[in-house]
Amino acid sequence: AQSVTQPDIHITVSEGASLELRCNYSYGATPYLFWYVQSPGQGLQLLLKYFSGDTLVQGIKGFEAEFKRSQSSFNLRKPSVHWSDAAEYFCAVAGGSYIPTFGRGTSLIVHP
Amino acid sequence: DGGITQSPKYLFRKEGQNVTLSCEQNLNHDAMYWYRQDPGQGLRLIYYSQIVNDFQKGDIAEGYSVSREKKESFPLTVTSAQKNPTAFYLCATGGAVGGNTQYFGPGTRLTVL
Repeated sequence: AQSVTQPDIHITVSEGASLELRCNYSYGATPYLFWYVQSPGQGLQLLLKYFSGDTLVQGIKGFEAEFKRSQSSFNLRKPSVHWSDAAEYFCAVAGGSYIPTFGRGTSLIVHP
Repeated sequence: DGGITQSPKYLFRKEGQNVTLSCEQNLNHDAMYWYRQDPGQGLRLIYYSQIVNDFQKGDIAEGYSVSREKKESFPLTVTSAQKNPTAFYLCATGGAVGGNTQYFGPGTRLTVL
């Protein structure tokens, strides 16, 4: 079985500050890992994904994520947050032939 | 988004009525999925299809039905048996099931009055 946990329901940061959103997964082998972003009333957009290889993954909009096998984590980071980054962020895990399982999401609030 | 169309954007229905949500794609993807999204619940899988004329139940299939008569189309019917149908419904597509990236449509918000 596979599962994913996003420990933070809400995160508040100031514009220009750095950001880290946490994601922990459970799966017996190396999984496929994804981060998606969702603006209010919209569909999900893929930010980045990890399948294999380099554990530091670069994505769109200046985001990156690091796969840490020892910690079963895939945290999303951005060095400087913009007001337009305010949205809901979802981590997802997929192992083998499984359909991705999504976390419950983290809502990012950006203060000016 | 981009190649996946969901219609309508907003849908209102009276309790006890069946309603069908449309999902069309021109990405030539084999797999299509339906998810339900409720506040604080993340995405929950309703049904998925890997090929035409075949589909499987997801985690919360009760009260829903689907068909896959064409590769491009995967409509979802919310039946009167669904006890709490008001939600945001997302359609997604992707390559063969197995860790491949999913691409999402813009969603349909269904409100049952």
